[in-house]
Amino acid sequence: QVQLQESGPGLVKPSETLSLTCAVSGHSISSDYYWAWIRQPPGKGLEWIGCISHSGITYYNPSLKSRVTISGDTSKNQFSLNLTSVTAADAAVYYCARGVAVAGVSGPQPGLYFDYWGQGTQVTVSS
Amino acid sequence: DIVMTQSPDSLAVSLGERATINCKSSQNVLYSSNNRNFLAWYQQKPGQPPKLLIYWASTRESGVPDRFSGSGSGTDFTLTINSLQAEDVAVYYCQQYYSTPYTFGRGTKLEIK
Repeated sequence: QVQLQESGPGLVKPSETLSLTCAVSGHSISSDYYWAWIRQPPGKGLEWIGCISHSGITYYNPSLKSRVTISGDTSKNQFSLNLTSVTAADAAVYYCARGVAVAGVSGPQPGLYFDYWGQGTQVTVSS
Repeated sequence: DIVMTQSPDSLAVSLGERATINCKSSQNVLYSSNNRNFLAWYQQKPGQPPKLLIYWASTRESGVPDRFSGSGSGTDFTLTINSLQAEDVAVYYCQQYYSTPYTFGRGTKLEIK
């Protein structure tokens, strides 16, 4: 059974960096699939932040690309999110998820839908 | 970006009745080369993460009850829940995976009438 668990500070100061980790059990992140971060602001819908492939290739949402880094640690079977220069607009529940990759319509980027999700972690941005 | 528009924002349906949720994409998400629609549906219950229900617009994820069905093609899609059960109360989201950034609808809240 695949399980994902987010961890990290629940409170981040404005202009600082949000750092979260997703520990994966039941499946090796280096074998296949993509591993993604998705967030949900309070009372709002879902926003895909970015993902990392089993081989370390990353794709980011252009709206966040300048501030986002996703990295993987295969020795610990976990992957991480760094989001710099946070503002109140970055307050959200952050989910990690496993992405099922399908051949993309154009270019190297795959299509991804998400079959396993972590429980989510609430991040507040406040001084 | 492909914008996903869901309707209605909320609906109330009686137990045992049918619920219908619509999703419209701003661009075609049907790939002609494989004749597949790059569209998924998720269910999110309060305090829980989203759960994958359907992918390829109409393929049920393993373990999802067959009262859930997806249909549509191109830009217009529907999630149908037959014989509504109390445990189906949730917010439902559609998502396109035709192109990045992958985008979700704003959700449809389903309640019991």
